[in-house]
Parts: sequence; structure tokens; C-alpha cells
Amino acid sequence: GAGVSQSPSNKVTEKGKDVELRCDPISGHTALYWYRQSLGQGLEFLIYFQGNSAPDKSGLPSDRFSAERTGGSVSTLTIQRTQQEDSAVYLCASSLGLAGSTRDTQYFGPGTRLTVL
Amino acid sequence: DAKTTQPNSMESNEEEPVHLPCNHSTISGTDYIHWYRQLPSQGPEYVIHGLTSNVNNRMASLAIAEDRKSSTLILHRATLRDAAVYYCILWYGGTSYGKLTFGQGTILTVHP
Repeated sequence: GAGVSQSPSNKVTEKGKDVELRCDPISGHTALYWYRQSLGQGLEFLIYFQGNSAPDKSGLPSDRFSAERTGGSVSTLTIQRTQQEDSAVYLCASSLGLAGSTRDTQYFGPGTRLTVL
Repeated sequence: DAKTTQPNSMESNEEEPVHLPCNHSTISGTDYIHWYRQLPSQGPEYVIHGLTSNVNNRMASLAIAEDRKSSTLILHRATLRDAAVYYCILWYGGTSYGKLTFGQGTILTVHP
């Protein structure tokens, strides 16, 4: 079946602009996760959703970052007033079971490469 | 958070076995050992996971030391498509809400 999809695949924006990144999880997956990967760095966890709820937003780098999920499906990560340090690949993952289930597997999308000029 | 230690890089020849080590000396009893890999320009991909016993699947085998302070991911016959960054991750039992904490991983190079 279809995997996790993300759009756009690439986004170039100017400093100070707002951007929206979209994630379509695998159908039926209840949990959804956002990570980011800066050039040459490991993956940094940002936020997760169980259904439409995000119980803990402390992983978001600043208050310029927000995320929402509607209908238990699509999620949007919004970055306001982008800065150059926001440049990274933003990855979305989804999993079938409850977030935190130690047996569950996360399926990752291909990512959105964000470049802030 | 319990941490993992992996070699920065390893090399192998095609069709030879590869043993990727991971040390996790501060592992707790509820931590599962997960392995993901990331191929160039792609998102991470699940490989295998285990708790105490050795595990096998179609992609690889996971050998876990008796004291659980180390583990080894085994690719039985490396192919060029196995060239990737391999991450060893401890997933905390029930408290990490799905947060995977990725380290720097091991860059595997496979030579033809």
C-alpha cells in the first residue's frame, strides 16, 4: 500500500516568510511524528500526535513552530517567520499503534527539504 | 536517557556478512533495542528490534548479549543497496511516547 507522503519535497523560502509542511500518514495509522534533520546531523524529535492530540509540544524548537492534525490523518507543520537555522529536512513518520508502544514500528516519509535564504 | 555507542563507519565487500556493533551499557530492563537505517536522500527505515532474545527477519538478524549491554546487527550478505547509515536506538518502555532518539549512527560502505 501507499507509504507516508510529504509535500512539498523541496521548499525554498526567504527569511521571515511563513511555511507549511504537509504529511499524509499511512491510512489507519493512529500515531504521527515529526522530526527534523539538519545537514550532517542526526534526527531531532519535534512532536507526536495520538489521533488529533499532541500531548507534549516541548520538543518544538521555538514558538514559531506549530503543528496540527485533523481527522486523525493529515498533519501540517507550520514555521512562522522562518530563520536560516530552520533550514533542514523535515521528516514525518506514522505508526499503527498507540504512540509509545515499544513494539510499534515507525514508517517514515521521504521528507521535505527546507532551505531558508 | 540511556545512550548507545556505535562506530562512526564500517566497510564491507558485497556478498560478505556485516556485523554492526552497538554498546548500550546503561540499558534498563524495559528498553527495547531498535535498529533503523537511512539510505541516501531517504527517510529512516525500520530494520529490526528485540528485547532479550536474538531476532531474525527477512532483512537482518539481531544478536543481543546476555547482559543486554551490547547488541550486533547482522547483515548476512551485504549488497550495494545496504549502504546506509545504521542507527541503534533504545526505545524506553512506555515512557517515551514514540520518541526515537537517534545518535550519529554507523555509516556502512559496501564495496562491489
